[in-house]
Amino acid sequence: EAQVTQNPRYLITVTGKKLTVTCSQNMNHEYMSWYRQDPGLGLRQIYYSMNVEVTDKGDVPEGYKVSRKEKRNFPLILESPSPNQTSLYFCASSLLQGGGYTFGSGTRLTVV
Amino acid sequence: EDQVTQSPEALRLQEGESSSLNCSYTVSGLRGLFWYRQDPGKGPEFLFTLYSAGEEKEKERLKATLTKKESFLHITAPKPEDSATYLCAVVAGNNRKLIWGLGTSLAVNP
Repeated sequence: EAQVTQNPRYLITVTGKKLTVTCSQNMNHEYMSWYRQDPGLGLRQIYYSMNVEVTDKGDVPEGYKVSRKEKRNFPLILESPSPNQTSLYFCASSLLQGGGYTFGSGTRLTVV
Repeated sequence: EDQVTQSPEALRLQEGESSSLNCSYTVSGLRGLFWYRQDPGKGPEFLFTLYSAGEEKEKERLKATLTKKESFLHITAPKPEDSATYLCAVVAGNNRKLIWGLGTSLAVNP
C-alpha cells in the first residue's frame, strides 16, 4: 500500500530534550515536506526536500532541522524543543514539487 | 501577496441538504488548485486537482469547479460520513509554492 509513515504518533517531552520524528514513504517520491498544523493558523511548511541531499526552509523553519540522506526517509529533528513547538506535525510527499501530496497520519507533540 | 481564503469557516447541514464550499485565491501564476479532506487528528486526504478555469472533477457526492478567481466544492445530498474539514491549496509561481487555506469545517447531522 502506498503510504507515508510517521513515528511516533504521540510524543510528550520536556523542554530542551532532543527528539526526532521519523518519516518514510514507499512511493519513490522526489519531493517531501514537513508541516505543522495549529488551530487558527492552518498548515505551515517547516522544511522541504526536492531530492536526496537537497533541503530548503519553508515558512517556519526556526528550531527545526531535517536531513535527506535517502530518497524514502525525511526525519524532522528538534535539537532543543520548546513549548511553542507543541503542535500536530505532518510529513507529506509528492512525485514533484507542487503536485498532490500524500500525507502521513501525523505526530502530536507536546513539549512541557 | 499570494492568498487563499476559504468560506465559510464552519458549516452545519442536515443529511441530504446540498451546499457549496468556497475557496477564493489571489496568486500570481496559478499552476493548480487542490482540495483535501481532513478528519480530526488525521492527515489530509487528497480529493481533486484542478488546473484551468472551467475544469470540473467529481467523486461520489463531491464536485469541484474552478474559475479564474475561485473554486467551489459542491456537496450533493451529504451524509454524516462527509463530516470533516475540507482544505483548499493553490500552487503558484515559478517556485511552485503551495499556499493553503484555513479550511471549512463541515458537520452533517443525521
